[in-house]
Amino acid sequence: EIVLTQSPGTLSLSPGERATLSCRASQSISNSQLAWYQQKPGQAPRLLIYDASSRATGIPDRFSGSGSGTDFTLTISRLEPEDFAVYYCQQSGSSFVTFGPGTKVDIK
Amino acid sequence: QLVETGGGLIQPGGSLRLSCAGSGLTVSGNYMDWVRQAPGKGLEWVSLIYGGGTAYYADSVKGRFTISRDNSKNTVYLQMNILRDEDTAIYYCARGRTHFDLWGQGTLVTVSS
Repeated sequence: EIVLTQSPGTLSLSPGERATLSCRASQSISNSQLAWYQQKPGQAPRLLIYDASSRATGIPDRFSGSGSGTDFTLTISRLEPEDFAVYYCQQSGSSFVTFGPGTKVDIK
Repeated sequence: QLVETGGGLIQPGGSLRLSCAGSGLTVSGNYMDWVRQAPGKGLEWVSLIYGGGTAYYADSVKGRFTISRDNSKNTVYLQMNILRDEDTAIYYCARGRTHFDLWGQGTLVTVSS
């Protein structure tokens, strides 16, 4: 099973600032099958990025993903008020899907 | 969209069946999953069904949970037996194999005596 580690656990930023979230895998993820989700309180997760760098339908271009192998990054170029949430990475490169523990982006 | 039903309060050792009804998509033509989230915790993949009924399970539920599908009702089910305290969670139905692009609103399962 591939274990995903996300850092930092909490990121305190102000609207307009740049957010950089990290996701590290315990072993290389084949075909860069790494996705990112946003979850707000009381809501289901929303897909942001898949295959490491492809934006899902309707996702603003301030969200971008990068990385390969074991190190992946989600970047939010300029935080909007609605971007304060928890972000999860998820891999499917191994036999079973696993999620990271999440990074909470809160307002500084 | 996907709509889950069937959650509730159940005693340890009991059984519950969750349903996930699809609209605007055909569940039999998609990879359909169950993903759960314990209160205040992260996401955990539970089970997948696709194709002719091929199914996979997380080790934590293998032998206790069964995923199935009724094509005529366009619905996916999760039969949960021998429930444990640690199965308490919101259960989401989601579409996808390598990533999940459509999610239901979730249904809460509480296992407690």
